[in-house]
Amino acid sequence: ETAVFQTPNYHVTQVGNEVSFNCKQTLGHDTMYWYKQDSKKLLKIMFSYNNKQLIVNETVPRRFSPQSSDKAHLNLRIKSVEPEDSAVYLCASSVLGWNTLYFGAGTRLSVL
Amino acid sequence: GMPVEQNPPALSLYEGAESGLRCNFSTTMKGVQWFQQNHRGRLITLFYLAQGTKENGRLKSTFNSKERYSTLHIKDAQLEDSGTYFCAVEALNNNAPRFGAGTKLSVKP
Repeated sequence: ETAVFQTPNYHVTQVGNEVSFNCKQTLGHDTMYWYKQDSKKLLKIMFSYNNKQLIVNETVPRRFSPQSSDKAHLNLRIKSVEPEDSAVYLCASSVLGWNTLYFGAGTRLSVL
Repeated sequence: GMPVEQNPPALSLYEGAESGLRCNFSTTMKGVQWFQQNHRGRLITLFYLAQGTKENGRLKSTFNSKERYSTLHIKDAQLEDSGTYFCAVEALNNNAPRFGAGTKLSVKP
């Protein structure tokens, strides 16, 4: 059953453009995450929000910025994309203190 | 970050066979979650464990916090079990689960 919704599914853009990805969860969870999965399938945490507050901010380039309007939404904006940003971006949510991560289907970004 | 190591990196099984996957970590963890990522890229939750053992059909997982490892055992492998299996762990003082590099499983007829 899908409860974490990501849009768009795919996005193709050119170097230097700005992109924005959306994520919404309908599980009533307090915590949301963005992960990046690269071409080698490595999954790395980028950001974590708890009830609209940033709690984890890994070493990601400053062109990446998360945006949360409420605890059910966590968007990701990338200003001026680079070729190395090509990846699948996965949004997840969980109850506070983790327990179980629920993932969206991902947004595949291709930077030409 | 903290190292999370998965073994083996790749595994090939014939239908009906069984095998185990392992996730080792370097510090005490709150819990472990196992996922299967299918050919469409969707991450499917298999188990979450804070301790002990859980079983679901042909799958069984254990979590040994003291010895710092978790295992996922698959028996009677089926073609649809093919995919990449990830473990994700969270340390006691950390705020986000971290993933191992995965085990790519291929089940052959």
